[in-house]
Amino acid sequence: ETGVTQTPRHLVMGMTNKKSLKCEQHLGHNAMYWYKQSAKKPLELMFVYSLEERVENNSVPSRFSPECPNSSHLFLHLHTLQPEDSALYLCASSPGQGAAYSADTQYFGPGTRLTVL
Amino acid sequence: AQSVAQPEDQVNVAEGNPLTVKCTYSVSGNPYLFWYVQYPNRGLQFLLKYITGDNLVKGSYGFEAEFNKSQTSFHLKKPSALVSDSALYFCAVRVSGSARQLTFGSGTQLTVLP
Repeated sequence: ETGVTQTPRHLVMGMTNKKSLKCEQHLGHNAMYWYKQSAKKPLELMFVYSLEERVENNSVPSRFSPECPNSSHLFLHLHTLQPEDSALYLCASSPGQGAAYSADTQYFGPGTRLTVL
Repeated sequence: AQSVAQPEDQVNVAEGNPLTVKCTYSVSGNPYLFWYVQYPNRGLQFLLKYITGDNLVKGSYGFEAEFNKSQTSFHLKKPSALVSDSALYFCAVRVSGSARQLTFGSGTQLTVLP
């Protein structure tokens, strides 16, 4: 798990707060991902970045705003969240992105446990 | 299209017994199949994947999985379960040569009883 790190590990915020989740990968990968994991539901892909460009946004509400300043760092900015946004947010990275990299393995960080009050 | 199903939410097995966690898939094309494991309050850890070649894939921690094209299955197995194998297991699929993202199953909670 040291290949992909996430901070903070736990976050409690009110609905009017603004906070950011940080992900860093030390694997030299070119693609990074944000997933949402809620209880009793499959992983939901939120965003995909390849070489700092967003390549996929799966109809995520605008209260979630991603940022990828370079291929090693990925942020998820949060504002005016709802209680139903409480979940484990997972970051992942892979060597590449797209059809030519469809066999690539994704490597996950430990996640940020978010609670929205 | 691509989808994956894990028909069992929960699997219980006694320590030392063989374990199987089931996964079936549906894709339009050739599949790439993955197994991940998640321990409490941790991220997903990669166990193994099938890309091509031998249908029996060996992975980390003594786990293996068998690709069965006719049954569209990719069941995870281990000959002798350990209590420390208790965790949440996810199967995932992606179509070979497709830009579409990885699709995960809903997960199977494995409990190994001492």
